[in-house]
Amino acid sequence: DSGVTQTPKHLITATGQRVTLRCSPRSGDLSVYWYQQSLDQGLQFLIQYYNGEERAKGNILERFSAQQFPDLHSELNLSSLELGDSALYFCASSPRDIDSYEQYFGPGTRLTVT
Amino acid sequence: AQSVAQPEDQVNVAEGNPLTVKCTYSVSGNPYLFWYVQYPNRGLQFLLKYITGDNLVKGSYGFEAEFNKSQTSFHLKKPSALVSDSALYFCAVRDRGSSASKIIFGSGTRLSIRP
Repeated sequence: DSGVTQTPKHLITATGQRVTLRCSPRSGDLSVYWYQQSLDQGLQFLIQYYNGEERAKGNILERFSAQQFPDLHSELNLSSLELGDSALYFCASSPRDIDSYEQYFGPGTRLTVT
Repeated sequence: AQSVAQPEDQVNVAEGNPLTVKCTYSVSGNPYLFWYVQYPNRGLQFLLKYITGDNLVKGSYGFEAEFNKSQTSFHLKKPSALVSDSALYFCAVRDRGSSASKIIFGSGTRLSIRP
């Protein structure tokens, strides 16, 4: 158990809908990262927050947005969902915004768009 | 731009034999290099990392990796494979020279250890 929690574990929704994925980092970790894992794209970095502020952006679509709250939990919002958004979404955390730190991953949220 | 390549989709090894999972990288500056493992229906788990210093890095579960700057490689190794090592392995790189660097993961290598 990494100490990172994600809810829900599974999510099934229809095209065009909007969903929110939630992540609680390990106790004391200030950095939160979001990733998308799909069979054809592999593991893609989406976005990073550090202590409430956006720090780095990866291949995140404009339909997707995220935020980190004062209690350090983070939410990833996915809107206007398409079939291709079906994937496993991981959250990870690390203590600081230092590149040499390893990340601790949550168990993921499996999103199925029908 | 930084990138990382895992040239083998799958590696098959008999239990008790040594294993190697290959990783090569490309960065503009000096790299931080990581290996993670993913078991079925689980998140990624950190195995080991190279920051600086000794080129041979030892990590969890008896794994080690050798940083080779001239060959821009960071291959994962274990002297004697276990069936329980069967999983998906990811190499990752961060360019320490970039101001807002992102971690880039390889495509993953599925390691299968037969009894």
